[in-house]
Amino acid sequence: GNSVTQMEGPVTLSEEAFLTINCTYTATGYPSLFWYVQYPGEGLQLLLKATKADDKGSNKGFEATYRKETTSFHLEKGSVQVSDSAVYFCALSPLSGGYNKLIFGAGTRLAVHP
Amino acid sequence: DAGVIQSPRHEVTEMGQEVTLRCKPISGHNSLFWYRQTMMRGLELLIYFNNNVPIDDSGMPEDRFSAKMPNASFSTLKIQPSEPRDSAVYFCASRQNPGAEQTQYFGPGTRLLVL
Repeated sequence: GNSVTQMEGPVTLSEEAFLTINCTYTATGYPSLFWYVQYPGEGLQLLLKATKADDKGSNKGFEATYRKETTSFHLEKGSVQVSDSAVYFCALSPLSGGYNKLIFGAGTRLAVHP
Repeated sequence: DAGVIQSPRHEVTEMGQEVTLRCKPISGHNSLFWYRQTMMRGLELLIYFNNNVPIDDSGMPEDRFSAKMPNASFSTLKIQPSEPRDSAVYFCASRQNPGAEQTQYFGPGTRLLVL
């Protein structure tokens, strides 16, 4: 079946530190991959996405590369800010016909301290 | 664009009462999703619609939950009777076109507390 596994949180970093949040997936075929971010008290927002192998999604200094050989889509940022504190969700959309739904990971909470 | 609109933003009710959550998707979006988020179970897909038709309701917990989409601009999620274990944040999301653009756009959520 389709599934997404994320590293457990919370991840606690100091401002300007390097961030990596690991995400691996299981899927048949070539799914689309996403990172969503949820700030406190808000709904989920799309952060970035990649639709085929070796694609790199990027937004707001965050990056993730679709790695088919390792079935991974790790999220990275070179220098985090306090405002990046949020919960990050990795998700996939399997390519199985037109009625696709997102499969979410459990989420990883990031706390950035000044 | 106003984004996905949900109401109410907060709801406090007593066990046994009926609760109705409302969602207005982004105009022009064909698919609508209802999710529930709790600390224990994370984010769960309850049901989703395409062109107002329920496609997958396998995530609906039990018969106390029901969802409708009478037209392209409105959906409801009803819980009757409500129980304390239904306390959660309920999100609605919409998407433009199944298969083509996969991005779902989420509303701000309804925080439900059942006493």
